[in-house]
Amino acid sequence: DAGVTQSPTHLIKTRGQQVTLRCSPKSGHDTVSWYQQALGQGPQFIFQYYEEEERQRGNFPDRFSGHQFPNYSSELNVNALLLGDSALYLCASSPWTGSNAQHFGDGTRLSIL
Amino acid sequence: RKEVEQDPGPFNVPEGATVAFNCTYSNSASQSFFWYRQDCRKEPKLLMSVYSSGNEDGRFTAQLNRASQYISLLIRDSKLSDSATYLCVVNGSGYGNKLVFGAGTILRVKS
Repeated sequence: DAGVTQSPTHLIKTRGQQVTLRCSPKSGHDTVSWYQQALGQGPQFIFQYYEEEERQRGNFPDRFSGHQFPNYSSELNVNALLLGDSALYLCASSPWTGSNAQHFGDGTRLSIL
Repeated sequence: RKEVEQDPGPFNVPEGATVAFNCTYSNSASQSFFWYRQDCRKEPKLLMSVYSSGNEDGRFTAQLNRASQYISLLIRDSKLSDSATYLCVVNGSGYGNKLVFGAGTILRVKS
């Protein structure tokens, strides 16, 4: 039973570029959440997708956008990258109903030069 | 004020010691509570959920005090492998809500 998978593992970009990160949820999970974790901080909620719609959003600018596909996988897009966007980006999945515990992927480490 | 606050530590303890971490949260409507463990440069992993009646899982005991909006984690007989960052996590009410993380407490267990 595959857990949450994310790609790529590492990514290096320059300021102003755009990036797309991908996530496949754990089998049986239909809800995907994205988090940003800066060094020395706890993960910060970006947004959550269920039934291909953004259901909740954290305090992140519109440069951060996402999508969920019919197979429940999801993408996180970040436009006009800033140095401050350098972080570990974590995808978590869970069922929409029942326990709210979320299971995390290994993350994508994004570095902006 | 942060929604979830934890002592960042580090807590440096010898093997076999008992160590306790505390956490406070500001949203009184929070319904679900968790402790996650995160190893260096790895993803957070669910350690245990926290229930109002308190719950235990082997050497780990979690407590919740809703009146004081306070959560604790007790680790008995610490092992070297317990060295990690422990994240206090709170969820909102209803379905599919976001998780709010504390910044984490660093534990270092030494031989």
